[in-house]
Amino acid sequence: DAKTTQPTSMDCAEGRAANLPCNHSTISGNEYVYWYRQIHSQGPQYIIHGLKNNETNEMASLIITEDRKSSTLILPHATLRDTAVYYCIVRAGAGANNLFFGTGTRLTVIP
Amino acid sequence: DAGITQSPRHKVTETGTPVTLRCHQTENHRYMYWYRQDPGHGLRLIHYSYGVKDTDKGEVSDGYSVSRSKTEDFLLTLESATSSQTSVYFCAISELGSNSPLHFGNGTRLTVT
Repeated sequence: DAKTTQPTSMDCAEGRAANLPCNHSTISGNEYVYWYRQIHSQGPQYIIHGLKNNETNEMASLIITEDRKSSTLILPHATLRDTAVYYCIVRAGAGANNLFFGTGTRLTVIP
Repeated sequence: DAGITQSPRHKVTETGTPVTLRCHQTENHRYMYWYRQDPGHGLRLIHYSYGVKDTDKGEVSDGYSVSRSKTEDFLLTLESATSSQTSVYFCAISELGSNSPLHFGNGTRLTVT
């Protein structure tokens, strides 16, 4: 299973774009990249996922490099409520249908 | 939240007692999962289910059993609770399809004294 590497922590000013990087250099051709976040004491919240094309939804944008070895989650206008731990995950092997969570990036949005 | 209710939300129990945690969904999703979350370990899969009466083990299944007699309910049982099972337990669901995202409940905080 492909593993991911994320910075331990990041800060972002309120109202600015938050760009969270993730490296997944051993990703397989059929593996998707997922992003989740977890706000203190709550369950993880699904944000977005993609295979190779860039994706956008009401929460965020996902930019995947052409070689698929890294990706960036973009929160276009960060608010204080976006302070959370963000997890970048590459889907586990076929048949398992589950996700392996690492330790993620703690994003702090600063007023 | 995606129609997932975990009960109880908090529980304190003594070592050696049996404990059952319940996950109830209203989304009619086929897949259900139990994770535990501990400091320094992130989220780890305990068991999952891919249909009624169909379950399989995750990476930390020792000491836990599960049952799924109805699509909407997935039970996690600790037959004889130990202090190492003190944790926050999360239930998750997903639709049929290997790339469907998981949606999580708000967790059960279990303390074994």
